[in-house]
Amino acid sequence: GENVEQHPSTLSVQEGDSAVIKCTYSDSASNYFPWYKQELGKRPQLIIDIRSNVGEKKDQRIAVTLNKTAKHFSLHITETQPEDSAVYFCAAYNTDKLIFGTGTRLQVFP
Amino acid sequence: DSGVTQTPKHLITATGQRVTLRCSPRSGDLSVYWYQQSLDQGLQFLIQYYNGEERAKGNILERFSAQQFPDLHSELNLSSLELGDSALYFCASSEQPGLDYNEQFFGPGTRLTVL
Repeated sequence: GENVEQHPSTLSVQEGDSAVIKCTYSDSASNYFPWYKQELGKRPQLIIDIRSNVGEKKDQRIAVTLNKTAKHFSLHITETQPEDSAVYFCAAYNTDKLIFGTGTRLQVFP
Repeated sequence: DSGVTQTPKHLITATGQRVTLRCSPRSGDLSVYWYQQSLDQGLQFLIQYYNGEERAKGNILERFSAQQFPDLHSELNLSSLELGDSALYFCASSEQPGLDYNEQFFGPGTRLTVL
């Protein structure tokens, strides 16, 4: 089955700096890659996603890139703000199953 | 608010006991998914139901079972509880499964504590 690896597990950045989180997946049939943000004790919320026929997608300060050949995708957050502090999960979707990475705890220091 | 509801919000019980977690999907959603999130862990996919039928299975223990009722709400039953079952259990719903992804909307979760 699908396996998703996510790095780093923790990331600390200064406010205004960029943050990059990377994920790799194992099943080439996976065709959809969402990113979720989860604040402490709350539900995961979708922040951006990308389909397998697209290489890059941007939404304001957040961008996601996908390299199908290498089977990896990344989340880029620019101009980070303290409210970006949370746990971020990548995921890969393959025929009914959404498999999550292990999460990255992002801390943005003012 | 995602439109997905889960009850109860918190549950404290003892080892060996059995509990039932309940989930109501968003209006119009036919698929329900259950996830387990242990402390500082990722989201582990447990099981998916679509329109009353089991659709996909993940790392769900034999002590756990689920079902989806005709009104589309779902219940996750956890039995012979162990300390390690303490976790946040999320339910999510989407319109329908298939090759093309439909966004999953997560409920607020049920925090289970096994003492």
